[in-house]
Amino acid sequence: EVQLVESGGGLVQPGRSLKLSCAASGFTFSNYYMAWVRQAPKKGLEWVATISTSGSRTYYPDSVKGRFTISRDNAKSSLYLQMNSLKSEDTATYYCARGGVWNNYSWFAYWGQGTLVTVSS
Amino acid sequence: DIQMTQSPASLSASLGETVTIECRASEDIYSNLAWYQQKPGNSPQLLIYDANSLADGVPSRFSGSGSGTQYSLKINSLQSEDVASYFCQQYNNYPFTFGSGTKLEIK
Repeated sequence: EVQLVESGGGLVQPGRSLKLSCAASGFTFSNYYMAWVRQAPKKGLEWVATISTSGSRTYYPDSVKGRFTISRDNAKSSLYLQMNSLKSEDTATYYCARGGVWNNYSWFAYWGQGTLVTVSS
Repeated sequence: DIQMTQSPASLSASLGETVTIECRASEDIYSNLAWYQQKPGNSPQLLIYDANSLADGVPSRFSGSGSGTQYSLKINSLQSEDVASYFCQQYNNYPFTFGSGTKLEIK
C-alpha cells in the first residue's frame, strides 16, 4: 500500500524558515518524480515544487522560486521542502504527492494527509 | 502560465442524477488533464488521468472526456458519498495549474 506521511508543519513567524518532510513507503521511491502541492484554508490547490527521480532537476512556480527548495533522499525514501523567507500567503496545508514514473509531466496518483503551515506573528 | 477555468463553482443535485463539471484550459493541453475528488477534511484523490482514463479503484459512474482546451467530468447516478469538491489539473506544461474547484452537494 502506498503511503505518504508528511511532518514538520507548525506556526512560524514571517521571514523565518521551516522544513517539511515526507516519508514514503509501499513503492520504489527512487523511480518516481515527487511533488509538493499546497492548499490555503478554504481555497484551491496550488502546485509548489517537483523533483526528478535523482534529484538533479527541480521545478517551481514563480510564487515560491528562490525561497523554497525541494530535495529528496532516495536511500531514506524521503522528500523534503525547505521553506525560507516565509510570508503570510504561504499559510496552507502542504501535501506530498507522487508524480510519474520516470516522467515529469504526470498526474498525482497518491497524496499524503497533509501538514499545516501557519505563517503569523 | 496555463489558466484552468472550472465551472460551476458549486452544484446541488439529487441522488441518482447525472452531473457534469467543466474545465477549460487557456491553451491546448493535449489531454494532459487529471480530475481529483476531495472529501471534507481529506486530501485529494485521483479520479481521472489523461482526460478519460479511470484511476484504480474509482467507480465506473465517474467518467472524463474532452480534448484540446475543453474537458468535462461526468458523474452518473449520484451517490451520497460523492459529496466533495472536485478539481481539474493540467500537467502539459510547467507550472502545473489547477482549476478553482467545484463543490458538489446533495439536494
